[in-house]
Amino acid sequence: DSGVTQTPKHLITATGQRVTLRCSPRSGDLSVYWYQQSLDQGLQFLIQYYNGEERAKGNILERFSAQQFPDLHSELNLSSLELGDSALYFCASSVEGPGRSTEAFFGQGTRLTVV
Amino acid sequence: KNEVEQSPQNLTAQEGEFITINCSYSVGISALHWLQQHPGGGIVSLFMLSSGKKKHGRLIATINIQEKHSSLHITASHPRDSAVYICAVTNTGNQFYFGTGTSLTVIP
Repeated sequence: DSGVTQTPKHLITATGQRVTLRCSPRSGDLSVYWYQQSLDQGLQFLIQYYNGEERAKGNILERFSAQQFPDLHSELNLSSLELGDSALYFCASSVEGPGRSTEAFFGQGTRLTVV
Repeated sequence: KNEVEQSPQNLTAQEGEFITINCSYSVGISALHWLQQHPGGGIVSLFMLSSGKKKHGRLIATINIQEKHSSLHITASHPRDSAVYICAVTNTGNQFYFGTGTSLTVIP
């Protein structure tokens, strides 16, 4: 158990809908990362938050947004869903100071299926 | 062009064999990560390196910053090592770049 909790584990929804994925980081970790893993594109970094602020942005679509709350949990919002958004979405957390890389601990992922 | 290249893509080994997975990268990095993903989908961070060598049990990871290359070695491989091994790097802007993974199967 990594200590990172993601909910829900599975999600099936229709095209055009909006979903929210939730991540609770390990106790004490200030950084949360979101990743997308699809069959045709492998793992891709979406976005990172550190202590409530956006720290780094990857290949995140404009239809997607994220935030980190004062209690440090994070939510990834996916809207106007398309079939191609079907993927595993991972959250990871780390204790990270400014300018430092530290080991990341991954949640079990949310498997999103868009039908 | 991928910023991170891994080889081989697929690897089958007999139990007990010594295994090496290679990773080359083309960007300046602050750290390199080796990740393990089991068939159930969960990802485990094995190592984070910025220089030198690290060892955890039968796993050894090395990095050569000048050559922009890292290797993951598994000694005395076991069927439970069967998984996808992913190399990832973070640059100084905290951007992550992932390799496409090496699928390892260890046969008893």
